Amino acid sequence: RKEVEQDPGPFNVPEGATVAFNCTYSNSASQSFFWYRQDCRKEPKLLMSVYSSGNEDGRFTAQLNRASQYISLLIRDSKLSDSATYLCVVNSFYGNNRLAFGKGNQVVVIP
Amino acid sequence: DAMVIQNPRYQVTQFGKPVTLSCSQTLNHNVMYWYQQKSSQAPKLLFHYYDKDFNNEADTPDNFQSRRPNTSFCFLDIRSPGLGDAAMYLCATSSTSGVIASTDTQYFGPGTRLTVL
Repeated sequence: RKEVEQDPGPFNVPEGATVAFNCTYSNSASQSFFWYRQDCRKEPKLLMSVYSSGNEDGRFTAQLNRASQYISLLIRDSKLSDSATYLCVVNSFYGNNRLAFGKGNQVVVIP
Repeated sequence: DAMVIQNPRYQVTQFGKPVTLSCSQTLNHNVMYWYQQKSSQAPKLLFHYYDKDFNNEADTPDNFQSRRPNTSFCFLDIRSPGLGDAAMYLCATSSTSGVIASTDTQYFGPGTRLTVL
């Protein structure tokens, strides 16, 4: 089983609509969770960290469900500039500084 | 201002010809990472340095080596590139203190896109 699993999509979203997707992780000892954004042929950039209580940053909301071992990202009022791949990233607690990346959810916002 | 710099941005090499990719950082972070990312795939960690301590991933081929001569610089050496090594190579840094795995952000450089002819 992969450490981090995501449905690659693409998720075709009309401009102004809401889109949400989940990511599951296999290591129950994981302590840190992140969403990174990656534009085509560019490097990943941190979008937001995901906290146990859930957190919101403008139009973006992240949630963590430890019992079911998944995190989610919701994008409200989608903009054309939101078109990108959203990578789910998990950091294991024990032993090292590794991040495990999912393949990403590709979002295409359509005018 | 650029914080993680990778050179060159694009590298073309011939099959079997050694190549070196470089990464430098102005963040004074103690951890530096090298990732390989192929099209439509997740970044794959090759190895990382925690200060001077080298940590190799179990499935990283011997063809890939790394050097970190000082805090600011880290190099990825591919001794005999094969066609399957064509990819984007990403350098990242983070700041970690103590033995607990860091919750700090990893900052990525813009990557070097390697083509093998």
